[in-house]
Amino acid sequence: QIQLVQSGPELKKPGESVKISCKASGYTFTNYGMYWVKQAPGQGLQYMGWINTETGKPTYADDFKGRFVFFLETSASTAYLQINNLKNEDMATYFCARAYRYVMDAWGQGASVTVSS
Amino acid sequence: IQLTQSPSLLSASVGDRVTLSCKGSQNINNYLAWYQQKLGEAPKLLIFNTNILQTGIPPRFSGSGSGTDYTLTISSLQPDDVATYFCYQYNNGWTFGGGTKLELK
Repeated sequence: QIQLVQSGPELKKPGESVKISCKASGYTFTNYGMYWVKQAPGQGLQYMGWINTETGKPTYADDFKGRFVFFLETSASTAYLQINNLKNEDMATYFCARAYRYVMDAWGQGASVTVSS
Repeated sequence: IQLTQSPSLLSASVGDRVTLSCKGSQNINNYLAWYQQKLGEAPKLLIFNTNILQTGIPPRFSGSGSGTDYTLTISSLQPDDVATYFCYQYNNGWTFGGGTKLELK
């Protein structure tokens, strides 16, 4: 069955970096885009951007340009989100989701990032 | 495109017909989906392209709308439907609505 399994919770200090993984199985990885969505504690969903799994080209939403990096390890059917220079406002749960024609139809379980000095 | 969902909180009884609204700041051209998120879980796709039910979703869920105004309807509310519901547009960029939290009365 289709699965997206994300890495575990992270506790980081402001200014550090964090890398979240999203391992896909049960489908052909390069047939679907991989999207990233942020959910701050008690808040709604925020689209961060997506990466074309065929070409590796990332596209970032305006609020996520600069410190956020999407990349792939295609041979391992894995997508990554790296956040550099962490800030307090980055504290959230981050979801990966595969998408076909822009519709996210399968989601990872979420990876929580806590930022605290 | 900004999406405004209403109401933000809805209380209803088991068996009620429930209607959730999502209004766009511009024409969405039917490129609208609905997600259900239960507490502590990932969102689940219910409906896409306004009214196409995702595989495995019960037929008590339905979607409708056009232009800027869209609706998710639950024909007979079940206890398992307690969740927050988000609309999502993919016509011009990608945007989520703020969500409607559905609880049992």
